[in-house]
Amino acid sequence: DVKVTQSSRYLVKRTGEKVFLECVQDMDHENMFWYRQDPGLGLRLIYFSYDVKMKEKGDIPEGYSVSREKKERFSLILESASTNQTSMYLCASSRFNYGYTFGSGTRLTVV
Amino acid sequence: TQLLEQSPQFLSIQEGENLTVYCNSSSVFSSLQWYRQEPGEGPVLLVTVVTGGEVKKLKRLTFQFGDARKDSSLHITAAQPGDTGLYLCRGSGGSNYKLTFGKGTLLTVNP
Repeated sequence: DVKVTQSSRYLVKRTGEKVFLECVQDMDHENMFWYRQDPGLGLRLIYFSYDVKMKEKGDIPEGYSVSREKKERFSLILESASTNQTSMYLCASSRFNYGYTFGSGTRLTVV
Repeated sequence: TQLLEQSPQFLSIQEGENLTVYCNSSSVFSSLQWYRQEPGEGPVLLVTVVTGGEVKKLKRLTFQFGDARKDSSLHITAAQPGDTGLYLCRGSGGSNYKLTFGKGTLLTVNP
C-alpha cells in the first residue's frame, strides 16, 4: 500500500522553538508539498518541491523553510515557532501533475 | 483568493437523501480532482476527471466535469453516514500549484 508518512500526529512546542516536521513517501514521486489547513481558510500551500534540492514558495511561505535532500523525504522547518503557526500540517506527494497522496497530518500546537 | 469556489460550504442531510455539491472557477483546467477528508485525517483522492463533459461513477458517487473544463459537480445518491466528510476539489494544469484547492463542502449525513 503506497504511503506518505508524517513523523508525528500531534506536537506541542513552545514559542520561539525551532520545529521540524518530517515527511517520507515510498512512491518515487517527483513532487512533494507542504500545506497547512485552518478552519475557514482551506488548504494553503506553504512550499513545494519538484526535484531533489529544488524548492518553490507556495502561497504562505513566510516563517517556514524546507529541505529536500533525498527524493523520498521533504522536511518543513519552522525557524522560530509562533502561536499563529498552530495548525494542521499536511504533506502530499504526486507524480507530475497527477492526483495527490496525502499523509495523515500533524496537528501542531504552539504555546 | 481561491481559484476554485465550492458550494455549499456546509450541508447536513438525512440518510437516504440525494445531494449535489459544486466546484466552480473562471479558469480552465486540464484536469480536476475530488478528495474526501475525514476528521483528523489527510484528504484521500476519489477521482480525477480530464475530458470536458466527462462523467465518472464511483459506486453511489457521480462526478461530472463541465464542458468548458471550468467547473465540476459531485452527486451522491442515497447518502449514508459513511459519506460524512469534507469534500475538496482541486484544479490542475501546467506548473501552477498555488491556490488550486477549493475550501471544501463539509457534508454531514445523519442516521
